[in-house]
Amino acid sequence: SQKIEQNSEALNIQEGKTATLTCNYTNYSPAYLQWYRQDPGRGPVFLLLIRENEKEKRKERLKVTFDTTLKQSLFHITASQPADSATYLCALGKSGGSYIPTFGRGTSLIVHP
Amino acid sequence: DAGVIQSPRHEVTEMGQEVTLRCKPISGHNSLFWYRQTMMRGLELLIYFNNNVPIDDSGMPEDRFSAKMPNASFSTLKIQPSEPRDSAVYFCASSLGQSYSYEQYFGPGTRLTVT
Repeated sequence: SQKIEQNSEALNIQEGKTATLTCNYTNYSPAYLQWYRQDPGRGPVFLLLIRENEKEKRKERLKVTFDTTLKQSLFHITASQPADSATYLCALGKSGGSYIPTFGRGTSLIVHP
Repeated sequence: DAGVIQSPRHEVTEMGQEVTLRCKPISGHNSLFWYRQTMMRGLELLIYFNNNVPIDDSGMPEDRFSAKMPNASFSTLKIQPSEPRDSAVYFCASSLGQSYSYEQYFGPGTRLTVT
């Protein structure tokens, strides 16, 4: 069956360091992968999308990589700040009629000042 | 833009009662989604509408759950009768459908507690 795996353990890092979160998947051939941020008591907020033919995408301090051979995406936050503390969800989707993404369960990031 | 609006934000009800959750999507969005989020199962898609028509309801747990979208600006998710295992946060999301980013805009959620 299709499976999306994100580390269930929280990632604790010091302010200023680069945070790296992992999203692995099995039995899936996604056309795209998204990353969302979710703060406590709020709905997820879209951050970035990367397509299957793209290796890397950047947006300000965020960088996403997508390796369809390893079936893995890495999400990096450089120069992390306490305000980056949140849960980060990856979501995979196919193109066309069934484009609706399937979400992973998320990884909590805690940035310590 | 006010974003996706959901009501109520919190709902506490007793087992067996009917619960109705409401959602107003972002104006101009033609796709609407209902999700349920729990610690155990994460974010699960319950049902998806496109242009007010239900397209995929395979995630609806059972017949106790029903969803409607009578027009482009309003949708409801109803649980009748409710059970304690329905306790979760229910999110509504909308999107422009098959847009470039497939980005979904989520509402703040309704936290449902069934006692």
